[in-house]
Amino acid sequence: DTAVSQTPKYLVTQMGNDKSIKCEQNLGHDTMYWYKQDSKKFLKIMFSYNNKELIINETVPNRFSPKSPDKAHLNLHINSLELGDSAVYFCASSPGTSGDEQFFGPGTRLTVL
Amino acid sequence: SQKIEQNSEALNIQEGKTATLTCNYTNYSPAYLQWYRQDPGRGPVFLLLIRENEKEKRKERLKVTFDTTLKQSLFHITASQPADSATYLCALEAGYNTDKLIFGTGTRLQVFP
Repeated sequence: DTAVSQTPKYLVTQMGNDKSIKCEQNLGHDTMYWYKQDSKKFLKIMFSYNNKELIINETVPNRFSPKSPDKAHLNLHINSLELGDSAVYFCASSPGTSGDEQFFGPGTRLTVL
Repeated sequence: SQKIEQNSEALNIQEGKTATLTCNYTNYSPAYLQWYRQDPGRGPVFLLLIRENEKEKRKERLKVTFDTTLKQSLFHITASQPADSATYLCALEAGYNTDKLIFGTGTRLQVFP
């Protein structure tokens, strides 16, 4: 019955590697997001997709590439991982209308060594 | 650029008292503002939304005010309980009638029995 799920929950990897985080929502929402929460707990939007179309693309290094195969899935692929990429990454979804609440996943804690 | 400040990094109060958290913003006029609760190791959970034409919104023991002149929102929890201990995040709509949110840094609330 999980509304927004992410895998994996934890990801530990070496600098320079490429990794992916997967997100799925079963709420029937049109919009999905990726957020990054740093060590100071600051939560910042990275990307959003509406019906598989990229809507928001913040100033994020192009090593980060989101992919939405369908409106229930939004994956995040990260190339050439750097130490500064260590953070908790949250996926979220919303119906897509302005002001709608956003439903967050449990987060993926990425640690780059 | 848009800036949001939650001016108490941590707030400690006794059970039964009212907790008041503050969210101040500068440099723009959001159409709405949301409050979220985040527990350790979990994603944020939506609590309340208040729009620019609303002064106050209530939900059970929660009350939110929105003063667009002062550019401030206050979040109150009455009859606070230890189970209310969490980090509370305010989030502002970043561009008129969009679903892009800018989050504040959060206030960690600790309610002592």
